[in-house]
Amino acid sequence: EAGVAQSPRYKIIEKRQSVAFWCNPISGHATLYWYQQILGQGPKLLIQFQNNGVVDDSQLPKDRFSAERLKGVDSTLKIQPAKLEDSAVYLCASSLSYTLGYEQYFGPGTRLTVT
Amino acid sequence: DAKTTQPNSMESNEEEPVHLPCNHSTISGTDYIHWYRQLPSQGPEYVIHGLTSNVNNRMASLAIAEDRKSSTLILHRATLRDAAVYYCILFTGFQKLVFGTGTRLLVSP
Repeated sequence: EAGVAQSPRYKIIEKRQSVAFWCNPISGHATLYWYQQILGQGPKLLIQFQNNGVVDDSQLPKDRFSAERLKGVDSTLKIQPAKLEDSAVYLCASSLSYTLGYEQYFGPGTRLTVT
Repeated sequence: DAKTTQPNSMESNEEEPVHLPCNHSTISGTDYIHWYRQLPSQGPEYVIHGLTSNVNNRMASLAIAEDRKSSTLILHRATLRDAAVYYCILFTGFQKLVFGTGTRLLVSP
């Protein structure tokens, strides 16, 4: 079974530039998550989708971050404009459903460096 | 969000058992105890979860105290590949995983 795919694996941009990350979840998984992990900390949930609807985006900085999940499969997370403090690893995860506490499967992440 | 307390780091020797503790004194009756681990430069990986009874799978065992206020993840024979950050998380459906800083496990040959 293929895992969660993410691209790119690494990205370096200057502050005020924009960047986009892509995620392809495990086939059949209804729930998709985007996390931000700052060095030395645990992952923090940014946004959670159930199929193509948003379940929780309470910790997403909506003035600069946006995310979409077209057709309930792939998802894209965008940052515009980036700030220095956005330097982190962005992790995508998926699960069968969030309603019954199924385990989440994580991708390898995208390491973003903002200079 | 329910809180857990874990030691910052632990050390073990290869092929020895490892007991990773987690305190969760404010656990509610519907909270499951989940463990994830994160190997260097990888995303977190699900390890095991339980509610009240002890659980075993191919990766580890989970021992849950009778009052459910603490639990222990047991790796029966540590390998170098088990060196990772281990997260103990209280989780119920319809909620989100809240990761703390976890326990960094160091395994020596």
